[in-house]
Amino acid sequence: DTGVSQDPRHKITKRGQNVTFRCDPISEHNRLYWYRQTLGQGPEFLTYFQNEAQLEKSRLLSDRFSAERPKGSFSTLEIQRTEQGDSAMYLCASTQWGYSRAFFGQGTRLTVV
Amino acid sequence: KNEVEQSPQNLTAQEGEFITINCSYSVGISALHWLQQHPGGGIVSLFMLSSGKKKHGRLIATINIQEKHSSLHITASHPRDSAVYICAVGRSETSGSRLTFGEGTQLTVNP
Repeated sequence: DTGVSQDPRHKITKRGQNVTFRCDPISEHNRLYWYRQTLGQGPEFLTYFQNEAQLEKSRLLSDRFSAERPKGSFSTLEIQRTEQGDSAMYLCASTQWGYSRAFFGQGTRLTVV
Repeated sequence: KNEVEQSPQNLTAQEGEFITINCSYSVGISALHWLQQHPGGGIVSLFMLSSGKKKHGRLIATINIQEKHSSLHITASHPRDSAVYICAVGRSETSGSRLTFGEGTQLTVNP
């Protein structure tokens, strides 16, 4: 399978714990985006990378959130000291270049209890 | 007011009906995307368009740049078309072409 893959698909964690999600984009895609989607809403932009450079972060991305794409391939999104409000679907997408079609992963559904 | 608005929010149809979902946006865009999201979360890109009309199977997408409006049509709808349809716009290159999404339209097609 050469699509965008995300791991894990589901994560249940206790409030205050740290969690890390991984996204593997399509191999030749140099742009990678993280979005967050809460129930009944459309996704919202969190951050994006061009190769290994993180070029933009949303105001939604508090200091507890950090994202990396160390070698310009896979990316990780870490949430420290999780809160119940962090419960959402975290979606990763990649594009070959700025104006091209976006390919999405299946998402990681986070539940903070 | 959201930058991308869709209507209707929910739509129920009978199998075989012609379906239209509308999207209006208020910002300058480089492209507009129509996406499909099934239960479980995965999003599939249906169309990316910046002008005119595109067709794929029973799906047709149109865009009017002057009016900042797009429509997604489904002909001869089928229960397997039941999903959330999301309109998203890609903004200028200076914004990294990140997508701004509408809230989605929940479509249910009954047999």
